[in-house]
Amino acid sequence: KQEVTQIPAALSVPEGENLVLNCSFTDSAIYNLQWFRQDHGKGLTSLLLIQSSQREQTSGRLNASLDKSSGRSTLYIAASQPGDSATYLCAVDSNYQLIWGAGTKLIIKP
Amino acid sequence: EPEVTQTPSHQVTQMGQEVILRCVPISNHLYFYWYRQILGQKVEFLVSFYNNEISEKSEIFDDQFSVERPDGSNFTLKIRSTKLEDSAMYFCASKGTGGNTGELFFGEGSRLTVL
Repeated sequence: KQEVTQIPAALSVPEGENLVLNCSFTDSAIYNLQWFRQDHGKGLTSLLLIQSSQREQTSGRLNASLDKSSGRSTLYIAASQPGDSATYLCAVDSNYQLIWGAGTKLIIKP
Repeated sequence: EPEVTQTPSHQVTQMGQEVILRCVPISNHLYFYWYRQILGQKVEFLVSFYNNEISEKSEIFDDQFSVERPDGSNFTLKIRSTKLEDSAMYFCASKGTGGNTGELFFGEGSRLTVL
């Protein structure tokens, strides 16, 4: 059974720092992996989608990598801003449904 | 930019009542989903829907739940005889392409509170 783990559960850093969020999954037989952002009590905003055949995807200050064989993905956020404060969720597409991590709650201090 | 819209944003209901949550997926999308998130817990898959029928459903999606696409634009989740443990945020999502290559787009969610 696929399980997704995100480390750390919470992270608080000063504005301007580069940071890395981690996601691991137990079954490497995935179709794709998606990173989402969730503001407190709000909806799920898709940030990046990485297909299983891809190694990374970039969007602005965000870069996501995927190492399927080791069951890992990282989300790199460059030059963090207070507006980046949110919970970041990764989800793997496994057997036609998304299996979710618990998220990393990120706080960027001005 | 096209988006998934959900109504209501928040519904409070008494235990045992029926609830219908509504979603308008992105207009040219063909695959539709419901997920839920109980407060403080992970997001969980409920059901996927394609070509006017359920394609996959989880163990959570029992006889209490049903989905329907009553017209060309709406996609609804009905919860019969609500229970306290049904209190959660319910998210609708849609996808344009088939298989597992497409990106899912989610709505803002409908928060259901069962008293």
